[in-house]
Amino acid sequence: EIVLTQSPGTLSLSPGERAALSCRASQSVTSSYLAWYQQKPGQAPRLLIYGASIRATGIPDRFSGSGSGTDFTLTISRLEPEDFAVYYCQRYGTSLALTFGGGTKVEIK
Amino acid sequence: QVQLVQSGAEVKKPGASVKVSCKASGYTFISYYMHWVRQAPGQGLEWMGIINPSGGSTTYAQRFQGRVTMTRDTSTSTVYMELSSLRSEDTAVYYCARDVQSAYFFAYWGQGTLVTVSS
Repeated sequence: EIVLTQSPGTLSLSPGERAALSCRASQSVTSSYLAWYQQKPGQAPRLLIYGASIRATGIPDRFSGSGSGTDFTLTISRLEPEDFAVYYCQRYGTSLALTFGGGTKVEIK
Repeated sequence: QVQLVQSGAEVKKPGASVKVSCKASGYTFISYYMHWVRQAPGQGLEWMGIINPSGGSTTYAQRFQGRVTMTRDTSTSTVYMELSSLRSEDTAVYYCARDVQSAYFFAYWGQGTLVTVSS
């Protein structure tokens, strides 16, 4: 099973700042089958990025994903008030040992 | 529009079973796999398993093997997740989540069902 480690655990930033969230895999992720989700308190997760860098429908272009192999990054170019939330990465693909990272909380500084 | 509507919160005693439903609408039910994901209070996301609504075949995460059963009713476009031998560690919000073209990531989620296991 591929283990995903997200860092940092918490990111304290101000609106307008840039956020860079890391997701590191214990083994190479096939074909960049890596997704990112945003979750706000009391809500279900929301798909942001899949295929490591493809924005899901309706996702603002301030969200971008990059990386390959074992190292992936979610970047939020300029934080809006609604972006303060918890973010999870997920490995997917042909194997059904689906795993999520432990999450990164982006909080208001 | 795609909607996944789950059943309401449940309180169960240790050792009991719980069955959570997820009614789908807005798309062809049998065309997309459905997954179940749970989240313990203050914790991360944990994948539990998948059901193919077309034929009913399932695959479960190893840690839930023997305790979880996923079924579907095509006449009502509903999938079910039953978890047995409940323990306090099973207290969590349980989500159904629809697959994206058999790729095993999730563009649509139910609203979540809180299951509380307490004596």
